[in-house]
Amino acid sequence: AQTVTQSQPEMSVQEAETVTLSCTYDTSESNYYLFWYKQPPSRQMILVIRQEAYKQQNATENRFSVNFQKAAKSFSLKISDSQLGDTAMYFCAFMKHVYSGNTPLVFGKGTRLSVIA
Amino acid sequence: EAGVAQSPRYKIIEKRQSVAFWCNPISGHATLYWYQQILGQGPKLLIQFQNNGVVDDSQLPKDRFSAERLKGVDSTLKIQPAKLEDSAVYLCASSLTQGTDTQYFGPGTRLTVL
Repeated sequence: AQTVTQSQPEMSVQEAETVTLSCTYDTSESNYYLFWYKQPPSRQMILVIRQEAYKQQNATENRFSVNFQKAAKSFSLKISDSQLGDTAMYFCAFMKHVYSGNTPLVFGKGTRLSVIA
Repeated sequence: EAGVAQSPRYKIIEKRQSVAFWCNPISGHATLYWYQQILGQGPKLLIQFQNNGVVDDSQLPKDRFSAERLKGVDSTLKIQPAKLEDSAVYLCASSLTQGTDTQYFGPGTRLTVL
């Protein structure tokens, strides 16, 4: 079974600064996907970024980028130029690649990020 | 494009009562998921549908939880009878298909069982 670990329950960052959230995972699969989701107080789970394990290039989405280290099973999220609207719970999630059958997301426990003005 | 819709947003019930949640996925999405998110934890899959068939319900407490997806579109999740430990946020998600596609989430229903 896959597990996802987020070792930082809470973090804070000053507005306009950069912050990195950590995530490690355990799997015996060779082909899979990794995600970061953001959950603000409204509870809506919003996709931040997605990484395919077969791609060596790290994914980027505007101010958000990842550092994917497949051998180390590490998948950290870097938020640049932090904004007040980035304040939320951030969840790291794993999904194995299957051609059919069950494809649930396996989530970590989350990191609560506070951006301070 | 409209997102995943869920209702109600909030529900408060007494233990041993029944409750039902509704989900309407993104148009054209064949795969639908129900997740349970207990306070302070990440979501956990309850059930996955592909069109109107169940793909995985291994973590659904079948003695009290049931779910259906008629006509492969909308879905309902029911709890009968509810227990205190069922207090959680119930999230519905959908994806174009299973295997490789990103899951998109609805706003969730917060259930409080007293």
